Amino acid sequence: EAGVAQSPRYKIIEKRQSVAFWCNPISGHATLYWYQQILGQGPKLLIQFQNNGVVDDSQLPKDRFSAERLKGVDSTLKIQPAKLEDSAVYLCASSLDQLRGEQFFGPGTRLTVL
Amino acid sequence: GDSVTQMEGPVTLSEEAFLTINCTYTATGYPSLFWYVQYPGEGLQLLLKATKADDKGSNKGFEATYRKETTSFHLEKGSVQVSDSAVYFCALSPLNSGYSTLTFGKGTMLLVSP
Repeated sequence: EAGVAQSPRYKIIEKRQSVAFWCNPISGHATLYWYQQILGQGPKLLIQFQNNGVVDDSQLPKDRFSAERLKGVDSTLKIQPAKLEDSAVYLCASSLDQLRGEQFFGPGTRLTVL
Repeated sequence: GDSVTQMEGPVTLSEEAFLTINCTYTATGYPSLFWYVQYPGEGLQLLLKATKADDKGSNKGFEATYRKETTSFHLEKGSVQVSDSAVYFCALSPLNSGYSTLTFGKGTMLLVSP
């Protein structure tokens, strides 16, 4: 069974530029999550989708971050414009359903904002 | 709000030593508790879980017991190997939240030397 795929694995940009990350969840997984993991900290949930609908985006900085999951499969997370404090690893995870199903994580995208 | 507190690392051990990584939590009611492991360059993987008080989760020689009275879920292993070197995250998911949201601790790095 293929795992959660993410790309790119690494990205370096300058502040005020925009960047996008892509995630392909495990086939058949209805729930998809984006987490931000700042160095030395645990992952923090940014947004959760159930199929193509948003379940929780309470911690997403909506003035600069956006995410979509068209057709309920792949998802993209965008930052525009980026700030220095956005430097982090962005993790995508998926689960079979939203009721305490095990979450499977991708390898993450490491973003460096200069 | 919900929170998870882990002992700070790094924890440095010699091969075959006994491992304990402390984890305590604050949550309303009785959440599900998890330990995730992150090997270098990889995504998080579920190591073990417990869903109710006095449950013991176990996997790959690791164990953790859900202690309601002390709100703890300490991770233990009787004899660590070099291959156990990784970052370990304790996490909780609220009961009856309707969604499998995870709140993570900051992580504890384990370094095992031959």
